[in-house]
Amino acid sequence: DTGVSQDPRHKITKRGQNVTFRCDPISEHNRLYWYRQTLGQGPEFLTYFQNEAQLEKSRLLSDRFSAERPKGSFSTLEIQRTEQGDSAMYLCASSLRTSGGNTDTQYFGPGTRLTVL
Amino acid sequence: AQSVSQHNHHVILSEAASLELGCNYSYGGTVNLFWYVQYPGQHLQLLLKYFSGDPLVKGIKGFEAEFIKSKFSFNLRKPSVQWSDTAEYFCAVNAQDSGGYQKVTFGTGTKLQVIP
Repeated sequence: DTGVSQDPRHKITKRGQNVTFRCDPISEHNRLYWYRQTLGQGPEFLTYFQNEAQLEKSRLLSDRFSAERPKGSFSTLEIQRTEQGDSAMYLCASSLRTSGGNTDTQYFGPGTRLTVL
Repeated sequence: AQSVSQHNHHVILSEAASLELGCNYSYGGTVNLFWYVQYPGQHLQLLLKYFSGDPLVKGIKGFEAEFIKSKFSFNLRKPSVQWSDTAEYFCAVNAQDSGGYQKVTFGTGTKLQVIP
């Protein structure tokens, strides 16, 4: 399978615990995005990387959230001291942005569903 | 800030009926527009996209969408729906913000239920 993969697919945790999610993008894609989706809503942008550089972070991304893409390939999203309001589907997407191109198409992974008890 | 509105939250149609799902966005600059579909139990998939050129774009499975710049709209259409089109449909806008960074904004989605 050459699509975007995410691990784990489901995570149940207790309030106050830390969780980490992983995203493996499509191999040649240089951009990687994280979104959060709650019931009845569309995906909400959290952050994105071009290669290993984190280019933008949403105001939704509180200081309890941190994302990394150390080698410009896979990425991790960590949530510290989880709260019940963090329960959501966390989506990863990747895209290929070419030099001179002014936009790109994002391809989504299956998501990680987080439940905070 | 850019925003995307999908007016229909839940649409129920019989098979063979025609479909039109509304999408309006607010952004004054150059935008790229997308429709994504999420079938039950599956992840988001790209249905079609508009970057430039012909404002009528055709996607997979017989879907098409028309970009009307003057109306800030990008409505999704299909002449004859099938039961297998039952899914949730998301409109998305990709635009550069003032800092030159890309920002993608999704609508809240429209759930389509097709009755056999």
